Amino acid sequence: QVQLQESGPGLVKPSQTLSLTCTVSGGSIGGGGYYWTWIRQHPGKGLEWIGFISYSGTTYYNPSLKSRLTISRDTSKNQFSLKLTSVTAADTAVYYCAGGSITMVRGVMVPSWFDPWGQGTLVTVSS
Amino acid sequence: DIVMTQSPDSLAVSLGERATINCKSSQSVLYNSNNKKNLAWYQQKPGQPPKLLIYWASTRESGVPDRFSGSGSGTDFTLTISSLQAEDVAVYYCQQYYSSPPTFGGGTKVEIK
Repeated sequence: QVQLQESGPGLVKPSQTLSLTCTVSGGSIGGGGYYWTWIRQHPGKGLEWIGFISYSGTTYYNPSLKSRLTISRDTSKNQFSLKLTSVTAADTAVYYCAGGSITMVRGVMVPSWFDPWGQGTLVTVSS
Repeated sequence: DIVMTQSPDSLAVSLGERATINCKSSQSVLYNSNNKKNLAWYQQKPGQPPKLLIYWASTRESGVPDRFSGSGSGTDFTLTISSLQAEDVAVYYCQQYYSSPPTFGGGTKVEIK
């Protein structure tokens, strides 16, 4: 049974870089066909898909965040990470890592549903 | 991006009664080539991450009680809890995966009346 756990600073200053790591247990991030995903939830609001890194290392980002975003992995530690640069208060959210899948629609890859999820970590952007 | 709109924002239902949550997409999420509806439902309890309930609009995830069911057409979808239990108090979200980026509805809070 795959389990995920987020870790990283809970407070980041404006204009700095938000860095989070997700540690996966119960399965290898280099196998199994999962698309290792980051999703965030702004306080009291809905959910926003951030992006993923696949089991083969391919990345795919939300266009709204692409210019500031890097998702990477360390297969030796069975971890994947998120770096979001130039943060503002609008980036304050609970950040979740999750396992995902993809589906093909008219020849285009689309991230599909997400399961399992980590417990989430609150990141506050404030000076 | 496809906009997902849920209604109502919240509802209160008596124990054992039916709860119905609606989700509308700004464009069809029905993929005609395979006749599949690219929509999922999640349940989020306070302090917990979302939990996948249903995908392909009506396929229950393993272990999800059969009182949860999903239905709908290309743009209008429904999550039904046939007999509300105390442990079903949560916020429910729909999510489309017809086009990227995948997008979520704003959530519907279900409470006990």
